[in-house]
Parts: sequence; C-alpha cells; structure tokens
Amino acid sequence: DVKVTQSSRYLVKRTGEKVFLECVQDMDHENMFWYRQDPGLGLRLIYFSYDVKMKEKGDIPEGYSVSREKKERFSLILESASTNQTSMYLCASTPLGMGKKLFFGSGTQLSVL
Amino acid sequence: EDQVTQSPEALRLQEGESSSLNCSYTVSGLRGLFWYRQDPGKGPEFLFTLYSAGEEKEKERLKATLTKKESFLHITAPKPEDSATYLCAVQANTGNQFYFGTGTSLTVIP
Repeated sequence: DVKVTQSSRYLVKRTGEKVFLECVQDMDHENMFWYRQDPGLGLRLIYFSYDVKMKEKGDIPEGYSVSREKKERFSLILESASTNQTSMYLCASTPLGMGKKLFFGSGTQLSVL
Repeated sequence: EDQVTQSPEALRLQEGESSSLNCSYTVSGLRGLFWYRQDPGKGPEFLFTLYSAGEEKEKERLKATLTKKESFLHITAPKPEDSATYLCAVQANTGNQFYFGTGTSLTVIP
C-alpha cells in the first residue's frame, strides 16, 4: 500500500520553540506539499516542492520554511512557533504530471501554548 | 483568480435520504477536479478525479458529475458511515497548485 507518513499525530510546543514536522512518502513522487487546515478556512498551501532542493512558496509561507534534501522526505520548519500556528498540518505528494491526485498523510495536530 | 466554493457548509440527512453536495469553481483552464472524504482528525482520502465536462464517476453510494462551472457529489441512500467532511479541489492549467473548497460536513442520522 502506498503511503505518506507524517512523523507525529499530535504535538504540543511552547511559543518561541523551533518545530520540525517530518513527512516521508514511499511512492517516488516528485511533488510534495505542506498544507495547514483550519475550521472555516479549508486547506491552505504553505510550501510545495517539485524536486530535491527545490521549493516554491504557497499562499501562507510567512513563519515557515521547508527542507527537501532527499526525494522521499519533505520537512516543514516553524522557526519560532507562535500560538496562531496552532493548526492541523497535512503533507501530500503527487507524481510528475498535471491532473494527478494528491496522496495525503494522516496529519499532525500541532498545539502551540 | 482561481477559486472553489462548496455548498452547503453542513448537511444533516436521515439514513436513506439521498442528496447532493455542490462544488463551484473558477479556474483558468481546468486540469482536474478532485473529491476527497475526510474523517475527523485524519487526512483526506481520495474519492474521484474528473477531467472534463460531462464526465461521471461512481463508487458505491457516491456519484460525481462535472460541468464547465461546477461539480456535484450525489449520495444515494446514505448510511451513518458516510458521515464525514467532503472536500473538493481543482488544479488549473497554470501550475502545480491545487485549490480547495472549505468542505461540506455531512451527518447521516440513523
């Protein structure tokens, strides 16, 4: 079974901490995405990557950075966590080519206190 | 500007009461329209991809249809286990990004 694995289901952090969210896919997909999901706002794109070491800003990149050193791994970094970054974070991947569906991980519910 | 609007926001149905969810979209060239199901606290699960107006896809009690401006997800004789949030997303010709609606929360009452 193909999989997108996010390292944590639940995470509690303090304001100002540096936070790493890890995502690994086993499908050899070129494209990987990080979204956050908030009630009433839907899924909003933070960053995406179409190749190793390549990244593109999404709609809400402020306060976040990403790293893609290997094809299968895409990390989201909160440089200094703030309470307004409390959210559900979803990682997804797709193969190369347009019109391909997103495969999602199970999500990380992050609480910043 | 590319955007996706889903309606209604929430829907309560009696078991067996058929209905439809709507996804209206505005994109500069549709590459694909996607339907997902999401259970609380979990990641979205893929249901259907539609590529061109007139296309239809079916799976069990669900049927998705597509026109040039909107898509419908028809639910026939729903069961309580169909309760979930249903998300619609589109991908435009202009890039890799997907644009999501805010979802319809469906509750099926036994």
